[in-house]
Amino acid sequence: EVKLVESGGGLVQPGGSLRLSCAASGFTFSHYWMHWVRQAPGKGLVWVARISTDGSDTRYADSVKGRFTISRDNAKNTLYLQMNSLRAEDTALYYCASLAAEDDCWGQGTLVTVSS
Amino acid sequence: QSVVTQPPSVSGAPGQRVTISCTVSNSNVGTDSNVHWYQQLPGRAPKLLIYANSNRPSGVPDRFSGSKSGTSASLAITGLQADDEGHYYCQSYDKSGSELFGGGTKLTVL
Repeated sequence: EVKLVESGGGLVQPGGSLRLSCAASGFTFSHYWMHWVRQAPGKGLVWVARISTDGSDTRYADSVKGRFTISRDNAKNTLYLQMNSLRAEDTALYYCASLAAEDDCWGQGTLVTVSS
Repeated sequence: QSVVTQPPSVSGAPGQRVTISCTVSNSNVGTDSNVHWYQQLPGRAPKLLIYANSNRPSGVPDRFSGSKSGTSASLAITGLQADDEGHYYCQSYDKSGSELFGGGTKLTVL
């Protein structure tokens, strides 16, 4: 079974940091570009970042550029999102996803709440 | 700035056909950017319905279909069912090639 399981979310103060993880199973993780997509409470989907199969190519939404870093460990079948200088507007459910056409897959998300 | 625009809501009665439009505004990009459609049912993660404008992944019923002409795309749902109720998102790309989601359309089955 193809599966993505996110973890690492929680409550953090403004200006703080969190590291999200996404464990992949049931498919050849190293063959796919991977993405983070977020959804603020009651709002729509917003693409956050993507990373190439070998990690050499990354791209970010303007809203997180310079604060978030996407990375991956293909040996551990795991995707990461390091989030620094967090703001209230970063509060959202964070999904990892493959966005890979016929092989599209999404996790169930991990909730990040930025509040004092 | 690139924008993907969808209507905020659509509705239809069971058995009817509804369409959801999606317009990609990319002044520096041609008309060949693909559009993908996702369904998000209440409390669930998004699920891919249509990829590359008109292709259905295996397991998606043929009640769902997609089309694209120029910078406009559409998702059509025929034989509307109560459990189709939820949000539908189109996704394309901005002028730099980064992924870009529309604001989402809430489908209500009357």
